[in-house]
Amino acid sequence: AQSVTQLGSHVSVSEGALVLLRCNYSSSVPPYLFWYVQYPNQGLQLLLKYTSAATLVKGINGFEAEFKKSETSFHLTKPSAHMSDAAEYFCAVSPYTGGGNKLTFGTGTQLKVEL
Amino acid sequence: DAGITQSPRHKVTETGTPVTLRCHQTENHRYMYWYRQDPGHGLRLIHYSYGVKDTDKGEVSDGYSVSRSKTEDFLLTLESATSSQTSVYFCAISGGGLNTEAFFGQGTRLTVV
Repeated sequence: AQSVTQLGSHVSVSEGALVLLRCNYSSSVPPYLFWYVQYPNQGLQLLLKYTSAATLVKGINGFEAEFKKSETSFHLTKPSAHMSDAAEYFCAVSPYTGGGNKLTFGTGTQLKVEL
Repeated sequence: DAGITQSPRHKVTETGTPVTLRCHQTENHRYMYWYRQDPGHGLRLIHYSYGVKDTDKGEVSDGYSVSRSKTEDFLLTLESATSSQTSVYFCAISGGGLNTEAFFGQGTRLTVV
């Protein structure tokens, strides 16, 4: 069984400030971990993924995440927020089985970026 | 963008009527998935397919059925729509195997009145 917890359903930052979105996972097998972004009225777009290679993963749009097994965490960060980063962000986990990519999602974090 | 088309994009239907949503892909990916998105729940897996005529249930499959007669098409059917099935439905595809990712369609907003 696997699950994902995203702390904070809404996060607000100032433009230029650090973005930190939290994700903790629970998995009975080595996990794949993902961050997706969703802009209004659109589908989900992959930001980055962890697949047991490097623990620090760099993604698109300046985002990165670090896999910490001891803390069962995969927090998403960006050094400097931009207005265009305002969106909803989802953390997801998938079992490392090779049998497709059945994702279990967190409940999402809505990021607001203020001037 | 991954070649995924969902149809219709919006639909309003009455309680008790059957509804079919279609997902069409042009990527020849083996795996296809249906998720629903609801506030406070994120996305939840309804059904998935690992090949033509091969499907299995996800987390929230009650009241839904699926069919996949061709690699490119994955249909989701609500046999008798209920208001609790008002949601946004997303289709996703993936190539399977290691180190793969899921690509999502644009979604179908379904309202059951």
